[in-house]
Amino acid sequence: ELKVEQNPLFLSMQEGKNYTIYCNYSTTSDRLYWYRQDPGKSLESLFVLLSNGAVKQEGRLMASLDTKARLSTLHITAAVHDLSATYFCAVDRENRDDKIIFGKGTRLHILP
Amino acid sequence: DAGVIQSPRHEVTEMGQEVTLRCKPISGHDYLFWYRQTMMRGLELLIYFNNNVPIDDSGMPEDRFSAKMPNASFSTLKIQPSEPRDSAVYFCASSRGDPAYNEQFFGPGTRLTVL
Repeated sequence: ELKVEQNPLFLSMQEGKNYTIYCNYSTTSDRLYWYRQDPGKSLESLFVLLSNGAVKQEGRLMASLDTKARLSTLHITAAVHDLSATYFCAVDRENRDDKIIFGKGTRLHILP
Repeated sequence: DAGVIQSPRHEVTEMGQEVTLRCKPISGHDYLFWYRQTMMRGLELLIYFNNNVPIDDSGMPEDRFSAKMPNASFSTLKIQPSEPRDSAVYFCASSRGDPAYNEQFFGPGTRLTVL
């Protein structure tokens, strides 16, 4: 059974600081997704990572994928308050039955 | 594209009543997913469809829950009878079923409160 673990689950940080959210998964997969959810809102797709070594960046967020380590990271550079949200990673199951497995999410709170 | 459309956005009902949630996927998407989100249990996949056919309903909590997809542009999730523990946000999502990747696009959700 594919398991997806994120850490930390809660993170409070100061504006201007850098930090990384980690997403580990338990079986082979080369497709990983990051989503953002603002309080009271829906999930919004941020990044789609499709191969080992893939790196995607948008603004202060950068996501990477290491399929050999079964690890993806979401790095936040010089955090700003607007990035406060819950971030989910999700992984394709190995048999690619089109169901993706979500982690529990990382609630990020950026203090001004 | 209008994105995934869900209705109603909010529903308040009393225990024992029937509740029907509706979803219109993005045009051209072959897959439709129903999720439930609560603080305690997080995001749970309830059921998903491919080309209007239910593929996996193992996440449906009880027989009180049922889902249908009569055509490519409409799906319903029904709870009958509803109970207070069904209170949650229910999301519908759709994807193209592209063999390259399975990016899912989520609707705005329906916030259900069962009193």
